[in-house]
Amino acid sequence: DIQMTQSPSSLSASVGDRVTISCRASQKISSYLNWYQQKPGKAPKLLISAASTLQSGVPSRFSGSGSGTDFTLTITSLQREDFATYYCQQGYNTPLTFGQGTKVEIK
Amino acid sequence: EVQLLESGEGLVQPGGSLRLSCAASGLTFSSYAMSWVRQAPGKGLEWVASISDSGGRTNFADSVKGRSTISRDNPKNILYLKMNNLRVGDTAIYFCAKCRHPGYCYYMDVWGEGTTVTVSS
Repeated sequence: DIQMTQSPSSLSASVGDRVTISCRASQKISSYLNWYQQKPGKAPKLLISAASTLQSGVPSRFSGSGSGTDFTLTITSLQREDFATYYCQQGYNTPLTFGQGTKVEIK
Repeated sequence: EVQLLESGEGLVQPGGSLRLSCAASGLTFSSYAMSWVRQAPGKGLEWVASISDSGGRTNFADSVKGRSTISRDNPKNILYLKMNNLRVGDTAIYFCAKCRHPGYCYYMDVWGEGTTVTVSS
């Protein structure tokens, strides 16, 4: 199974900050990497697919990069509605696996 | 607008069985693979199973393999998950999710609100 490791597990940031979340795969997964946002009590929401493709309706302050084993989710100017938990997920093969999550909290 | 609505038993005894359903609307259901993903209380996301658009290909997480079945009724736009020999560790919110592609689930682009399953005596 491909292990997905996110860092950090949590972070505190202020509105307007630039935030970077890393995701590392235990083996090469090309660009089969996706990012989700989950708010408390809600279903996950797909933000980015194929490492860098922003989904329709997702603000342009979100971006993704990387290929192979190392990937990054960047939020350029954190907004209040962005405080949530973010998960990466590999779609390279089954079992599909998620990172453990990164909780973005208000400083 | 695509909508997914999960339903099923809320409380099940250890060793028991459950069948979850997911009613889909607003999409050509038979054109997409579908998945179940679960989230234990206070924990992260865990993929459970996927099924191809035709239902001919299924995949399962090791944690449920051998005691679970995923199936779909395309004319009725319904996805199912049947689990047997339930364990306390199966307690979670179960999300139904639409995959972007037909034959294989690379990622999930639409999610239901989830249905809570509690395994307890």
